[in-house]
Amino acid sequence: GAVVSQHPSRVICKSGTSVKIECRSLDFQATTMFWYRQFPKQSLMLMATSNEGSKATYEQGVEKDKFLINHASLTLSTLTVTSAHPEDSSFYICSARRVGQGANQPQHFGDGTRLSIL
Amino acid sequence: GQQLNQSPQSMFIQEGEDVSMNCTSSSIFNTWLWYKQDPGEGPVLLIALYKAGELTSNGRLTAQFGITRKDSFLIISASIPSDVGIYFCAGRDFGNEKLTFGTGTRLTIIP
Repeated sequence: GAVVSQHPSRVICKSGTSVKIECRSLDFQATTMFWYRQFPKQSLMLMATSNEGSKATYEQGVEKDKFLINHASLTLSTLTVTSAHPEDSSFYICSARRVGQGANQPQHFGDGTRLSIL
Repeated sequence: GQQLNQSPQSMFIQEGEDVSMNCTSSSIFNTWLWYKQDPGEGPVLLIALYKAGELTSNGRLTAQFGITRKDSFLIISASIPSDVGIYFCAGRDFGNEKLTFGTGTRLTIIP
């Protein structure tokens, strides 16, 4: 149980393109999903917290107009990187917490999306 | 953002050896988590710790939540080839859903 799926797993596109990444909780409902970014050989850095039916909360330094987050249902959150540039190339990972579980319970992570902007 | 300091940064060991890694923070956490990440994949939860002083095992893995709430360690016993990967600690504040990740420890097993 507690499977989180990300799609696509890999994206290669030209500079200026907008890219949408999906994060789905396959066998549970998730009130809250989290989006992380991981550069090569570095740790995971939280970008934003996505709450179903409300606006996302962004971490300091993350441009909300650049990284659009939509959490329209209890099983799907999307991250759109608008007008992507080479510096946006990174590994984007989402995680989800099951509805009804307290904030103290672990998050379940997806397998990540490798974004490469040429 | 804030990061937890993990040590060592990398380890090269022989199969069968025990491995120990540490995570320290300047601030207190009420939950400590240990994850393993394989190349090109997301982190997988290994052990979760919820109480200061707690010692928890999961198969060949043992982790402890430090008494001061500012540190945690992970031990892998009798390492095997599939233990290769990057290990991350993560801490969470009381009442806060957000996780702060450590800098990672890369484990390599020498044939």
